[in-house]
Amino acid sequence: NAGVTQTPKFRILKIGQSMTLQCTQDMNHNYMYWYRQDPGMGLKLIYYSVGAGITDKGEVPNGYNVSRSTTEDFPLRLELAAPSQTSVYFCASRGSGNEQFFGPGTRLTVL
Amino acid sequence: AQKITQTQPGMFVQEKEAVTLDCTYDTSDPSYGLFWYKQPSSGEMIFLIYQGSYDQQNATEGRYSLNFQKARKSANLVISASQLGDSAMYFCAMREGSGGYQKVTFGIGTKLQVIP
Repeated sequence: NAGVTQTPKFRILKIGQSMTLQCTQDMNHNYMYWYRQDPGMGLKLIYYSVGAGITDKGEVPNGYNVSRSTTEDFPLRLELAAPSQTSVYFCASRGSGNEQFFGPGTRLTVL
Repeated sequence: AQKITQTQPGMFVQEKEAVTLDCTYDTSDPSYGLFWYKQPSSGEMIFLIYQGSYDQQNATEGRYSLNFQKARKSANLVISASQLGDSAMYFCAMREGSGGYQKVTFGIGTKLQVIP
């Protein structure tokens, strides 16, 4: 099992550009999450999903969109990138237990 | 009010000594859970230990134990016999809600440095 994979690992965007951060899990987990981690801070929840076709906003959803068409995939879309979105983005998934399994993260810089 | 408070930005510990990392929390949800995650300099998030609000015993996982004091709303992490590889950021987090709609809130972390 690969667990939770994220692509790309690194990305530099110009202000106003758009991109999609990919997240895939092979553990058949229903629950998936997107977090951002700003320098020197903890993680903040952007969006989450309780199953295919069902998503909901977290603490900091503005400027982002998600979709969940399959159990495995949970992409995060950034529209009109802004410098405030410079961060490390983590995707996580959870099965029936309490532990969330994290991907390796995507480091995004918006210039 | 902050849901998770970690008041120690940085801690030093001598190798082979024990260290306690503090965490206090705030919730009105009767069913909640507390986690500790380790984030080494490589950046990945590593799950260490979990304590449910109804668990009678304090959680332990190898050298990690969680000192859960419900009345004080504290969930401190104790690392025994520190090793150089324990140097990392440590995050306390809390789960609220149940089933799929549970959300997890993270503290700002404590940076632990183990001194040889």
